[in-house]
Amino acid sequence: EVQLVESGGGLVQPGGSLRLSCAASGFTFSSYWMHWVRQAPGKGLVWVSRINSDGSSTSYADSVKGRFTISRDNAKNTLYLQMNSLRAEDTAVYYCARDLLEGGSSDAFDIWGQGTMVTVSS
Amino acid sequence: QSALTQPASVSGSPGQSITISCTGTSSDVGGYNYVSWYQQHPGKAPKLMIYDVSKRPSGVSNRFSGSKSGNTASLTISGLQAEDEADYYCSSYTSSSTLYVFGTGTKVTVL
Repeated sequence: EVQLVESGGGLVQPGGSLRLSCAASGFTFSSYWMHWVRQAPGKGLVWVSRINSDGSSTSYADSVKGRFTISRDNAKNTLYLQMNSLRAEDTAVYYCARDLLEGGSSDAFDIWGQGTMVTVSS
Repeated sequence: QSALTQPASVSGSPGQSITISCTGTSSDVGGYNYVSWYQQHPGKAPKLMIYDVSKRPSGVSNRFSGSKSGNTASLTISGLQAEDEADYYCSSYTSSSTLYVFGTGTKVTVL
């Protein structure tokens, strides 16, 4: 079964750091570009970051650029999101998602994890 | 990068057809044929319903269809069923440094 499972969420103080993980199974992880998408409580979806299949190219939303770092370990079939200098407005459920297109980038995300909640509060 | 504009809510009776609009600009919806649509039930992860404006992934009912005209994309659900009640989000590739933008979301209610 194709599956993504996020972990690492929790409560963190403003200015703090957190690292999210996303474990992939059921497909050739190293062939797919991957994304992080977040959703604040009761709000809409927001794209956060993207990484290519070998980890050599990354992109970020302006709202997180310079604070968040996306990475991956293809040997461990795992995607990461290192989040630093966290702010209250970063509070959200964070989803990892697989790019639709194997070997490249498309406009769509076809497999999603169940999400992990990050709460930034003092 | 502002969110794409969707109606907050759309409703219809079982068997009817409804259409959800998604309005952007020439820098996103109007500039690329890279619009996708997602269905999200409460407490669940989003599910891809349409990509590349009008293509359906394997396993998605043909009751769901997509189209685009200028800066506005649309999702049509025909033969509305109770299980279609959910939130729907559009998304588009953009020319900005924030590569993808989602819509504001539409709550679909089956009367």
